[in-house]
Amino acid sequence: SYELTQPPSVSVSPGQTARITCSGDALPKQYAYWYQQKPGQAPVLVIYTDSERPSGIPERFSGSSSGTTVTLTISGVQAEDEADYYCQSADSSGTYVVFGGGTKLTVL
Amino acid sequence: EVQLVESGGGLVQPGGSLRLSCAASGFTFSSYSMNWVRQAPGKGLEWVSYISTSSSTMYYADSVKGRFTISRDNAKNSLYLQMNSLRAEDTAVYYCARLAAAGMGYFDLWGRGTLVTVSS
Repeated sequence: SYELTQPPSVSVSPGQTARITCSGDALPKQYAYWYQQKPGQAPVLVIYTDSERPSGIPERFSGSSSGTTVTLTISGVQAEDEADYYCQSADSSGTYVVFGGGTKLTVL
Repeated sequence: EVQLVESGGGLVQPGGSLRLSCAASGFTFSSYSMNWVRQAPGKGLEWVSYISTSSSTMYYADSVKGRFTISRDNAKNSLYLQMNSLRAEDTAVYYCARLAAAGMGYFDLWGRGTLVTVSS
């Protein structure tokens, strides 16, 4: 079955830039989406169609795509950004939804 | 208010059944495809099932295929998940999630989830 691969954890100091990657063979064909999830809460969409930001999401969140890897970048990380981040896409047929394993962002 | 509210979770024995419900409000439910996504304790998100606006198309993750059935009642603004032959590994918070506008592949609205615990 198709998989998306994320690093389990990323750590940064406040004000620094955090980059979280997500790799998958179908990413050149399928859009990627990113969600933020804080403990005890439902996921919140922070990036859609690789690089678009929903209304209400701070400008420090951005997304990019290159080949089989997509990247979520958080510039000027703040303490409130500490959370789990999940990438999501679809298999090559576009039929089945797939989530990455998640990355825990720690703000030191 | 635009929202999704899940219900029906609880403790069930292995091999048992449970039916989850998701009540939608504040938007035209019949215009959106819907999904169930689950999250085992301390684990990541796992997509479970999809249903189209008219119920003409359903998809399931391999892990639940043949055991779970997704359905909807547009007149009642409700989504359902019938879960049979439950296993310990089905223990999770189950989220109801709305797929964004037609042709978009992401979830733009989530419920708060309902916990299903499969244990003897």
